[in-house]
Amino acid sequence: GQQVQQSPASLVLQEGENAELQCNFSSTATQLQWFYQSPGGSLVSLLSNPSGTKHTGRLTSTTVTKERRSSLHISSSQTTDSGTYLCAIDPSSGSWQLIFGSGTQLTVMP
Amino acid sequence: EAAVTQSPRSKVAVTGGKVTLSCHQTNNHDYMYWYRQDTGHGLRLIHYSYVADSTEKGDIPDGYKASRPSQENFSLILELASLSQTAVYFCASSDAPGVSGNTLYFGEGSRLIVV
Repeated sequence: GQQVQQSPASLVLQEGENAELQCNFSSTATQLQWFYQSPGGSLVSLLSNPSGTKHTGRLTSTTVTKERRSSLHISSSQTTDSGTYLCAIDPSSGSWQLIFGSGTQLTVMP
Repeated sequence: EAAVTQSPRSKVAVTGGKVTLSCHQTNNHDYMYWYRQDTGHGLRLIHYSYVADSTEKGDIPDGYKASRPSQENFSLILELASLSQTAVYFCASSDAPGVSGNTLYFGEGSRLIVV
């Protein structure tokens, strides 16, 4: 079945450092979204990026569709960025049955 | 602001008992979903629905039933709860596929412990 692999599994940074999160998937994806999950909390969508590069605030996502990989770059990390970042893909043509990776747990130290 | 509310937020159930998790959305979305999350893992789709009075199986439907009595409400039913169903359950809603800027809006989660 479709697999979504995220790396690293966990990452610890000092405030102000940059973070690079990776997402690899085993077949084509018509949708790719990055979500943020607060510690013990719910998920919120950060951005949708099925191909190319997109920016929002301090976040930059680059997806190379033919290589089946996406990255999420967080610049100038803040303690409030701590949490889990999940990559999710929709392998079908717009079915919205998202398949999630296991996430990267980010801890930003003051 | 999109709103998806779940109840109960936390529940302890006995093995073999019946559990109903409820979800209500005020987003006017047609699509609703139930996911489960196990500690240290991503989310897996249990059931979803794109119209009232109809539900569809997701990736892991065994042991779960779903009910969509109205556009706003979507329930997940565990008829005979088992230890393996201990997890956090998330409800979500979305517009139909193809809508520009579409995404999932999640509830706060329901933590279920089966003993």
